[in-house]
Amino acid sequence: GDSVTQMEGPVTLSEEAFLTINCTYTATGYPSLFWYVQYPGEGLQLLLKATKADDKGSNKGFEATYRKETTSFHLEKGSVQVSDSAVYFCALSDTGTASKLTFGTGTRLQVTL
Amino acid sequence: DSGVTQTPKHLITATGQRVTLRCSPRSGDLSVYWYQQSLDQGLQFLIQYYNGEERAKGNILERFSAQQFPDLHSELNLSSLELGDSALYFCASSVGAGRSQETQYFGPGTRLLVL
Repeated sequence: GDSVTQMEGPVTLSEEAFLTINCTYTATGYPSLFWYVQYPGEGLQLLLKATKADDKGSNKGFEATYRKETTSFHLEKGSVQVSDSAVYFCALSDTGTASKLTFGTGTRLQVTL
Repeated sequence: DSGVTQTPKHLITATGQRVTLRCSPRSGDLSVYWYQQSLDQGLQFLIQYYNGEERAKGNILERFSAQQFPDLHSELNLSSLELGDSALYFCASSVGAGRSQETQYFGPGTRLLVL
């Protein structure tokens, strides 16, 4: 079945540091890939998405590229801010099992001054 | 603000009880999804409704049921509650029937605590 694997957290960075959160997936069809962010006490917000191989999703300085050859969708940001502190979830929606999102376990990011 | 609303925000109840969680999708969205977020299971898909009909089912317990009404709002009913049902329950909506490319927009969640 479908699955998403994310790097274990928490990730602690100083402000303005470079961020990478690794995400790899297993899917039977041609999935679309998503990054969602959950700020403390809030629901999930879509951060970015990519629907086919080699697509790059980007938003608010975050980027992720859909790499079919390595089945990966790593999240990157060049310079993090304290306000980026949150839990980040990688997710996929597969063509064969459309509808549901399969989520990774989430990676907590803490950014300090 | 995603445009998806959920009520109540918090719910505290006792084991064996029954509760109803309510969700209103974004204007124009026809699909509603329910997810459960717990510490041990992470985020899990429960069920999807599209335009009033059940569309897909995930790891939803038999004690749980859902429906979508003609005005497209949805309710998730949880009965014979157990301690392990304590979790954050999210509703999401999307415009279509759930093609893989569609974005699901999430509500703020209902936090359920079973004592």
